Amino acid sequence: LAKTTQPISMDSYEGQEVNITCSHNNIATNDYITWYQQFPSQGPRFIIQGYKTKVTNEVASLFIPADRKSSTLSLPRVSLSDTAVYYCLVDYNNAGNMLTFGGGTRLMVKP
Amino acid sequence: KAGVTQTPRYLIKTRGQQVTLSCSPISGHRSVSWYQQTPGQGLQFLFEYFSETQRNKGNFPGRFSGRQFSNSRSEMNVSTLELGDSALYLCASSSGSLDSYEQYFGPGTRLTVT
Repeated sequence: LAKTTQPISMDSYEGQEVNITCSHNNIATNDYITWYQQFPSQGPRFIIQGYKTKVTNEVASLFIPADRKSSTLSLPRVSLSDTAVYYCLVDYNNAGNMLTFGGGTRLMVKP
Repeated sequence: KAGVTQTPRYLIKTRGQQVTLSCSPISGHRSVSWYQQTPGQGLQFLFEYFSETQRNKGNFPGRFSGRQFSNSRSEMNVSTLELGDSALYLCASSSGSLDSYEQYFGPGTRLTVT
């Protein structure tokens, strides 16, 4: 049974780097991990995706260790506006029909 | 470029009724996916339509169905509503590329079943 778990909440301060982990079982080498950000009363917003060891874009990095049992979303130098819920999404057989979201991590950034 | 729009934004229905929700994707996007979001179960994948065909389906009962039109607009239907169907229903559009999960979500339709 595909299961994707995340910490329920995290606190951080402005300017710090934040790392949010997602644990996923039975993930294959070409199964994608995607991260979304959601603000209240809005739909989720795409942050980053990948299936290789490290992916970086202009807002975040995604790290996937060799055992592929977890992945980490890294947000450099967070600001107050990064306070949101972050979801990881895993497509367990890379075919689109086993899309499973984690429960979401509520990130609170404090001044 | 206009974003994903969903109508209606709010809906109240009674148990046993049926409901139809509508989603207009970003212009040029051929894939529309539907998700259910509840406090208890979180975000759950319902189904995806691509070029008017259901391409993927999550683990929901047959009461949940959808379709996509030639202009890529999509509708989702729930028949014989149950109290547990109360949720935020989100649609997301994408190019439909099989190696991308970059989706653009609409604001959702909040359905309340009484």
